[in-house]
Amino acid sequence: DAMVIQNPRYQVTQFGKPVTLSCSQTLNHNVMYWYQQKSSQAPKLLFHYYDKDFNNEADTPDNFQSRRPNTSFCFLDIRSPGLGDAAMYLCATSRGRGGQETQYFGPGTRLLVL
Amino acid sequence: GENVEQHPSTLSVQEGDSAVIKCTYSDSASNYFPWYKQELGKRPQLIIDIRSNVGEKKDQRIAVTLNKTAKHFSLHITETQPEDSAVYFCAATTDTGRRALTFGSGTRLQVQP
Repeated sequence: DAMVIQNPRYQVTQFGKPVTLSCSQTLNHNVMYWYQQKSSQAPKLLFHYYDKDFNNEADTPDNFQSRRPNTSFCFLDIRSPGLGDAAMYLCATSRGRGGQETQYFGPGTRLLVL
Repeated sequence: GENVEQHPSTLSVQEGDSAVIKCTYSDSASNYFPWYKQELGKRPQLIIDIRSNVGEKKDQRIAVTLNKTAKHFSLHITETQPEDSAVYFCAATTDTGRRALTFGSGTRLQVQP
């Protein structure tokens, strides 16, 4: 059974047109993460929520924002996508943070910017 | 902050041979070291992890070793099979500060039949 679900799997948007990616989880985990992964590179953490506590990475562009309306759902909003934002976006969850907790990844949403 | 270096970036082995991927980390407080396997176009999947109170962990053909003094850990795959072909990422995290995974740059493993 799917535990971390991402929709859509593929998203095409136009340069500058806002886009929202969604993630949901059935694990009741406290922490939800958003990663950006470009071809042949490691996943790059954008931000994470610990419950409702939002934690932004220092180098995440202002163009990227996130919402977590409840435990199960988390959204990634890209306000004005540029060509450089084309990537795979991975959502992950964990029960807690740090050295005791395993992260589980969703299947990802591949974003194409035209 | 934490820095994780991973080597080699690509590795080609013959089916049945062993493969070893090495990672070094900078933060001595790091205490959790997972390894993820990512096949083309798919999600990273946890294959094995180790915590800092353990020096070695095995799961069938896969093993991970940790040397806290030298701050490095390694993934060992024995009797490699073509389905082991993928990109492997190491990662490290701590229980303090940022408490988020820092990934290595990845190793593309190709197992030749």
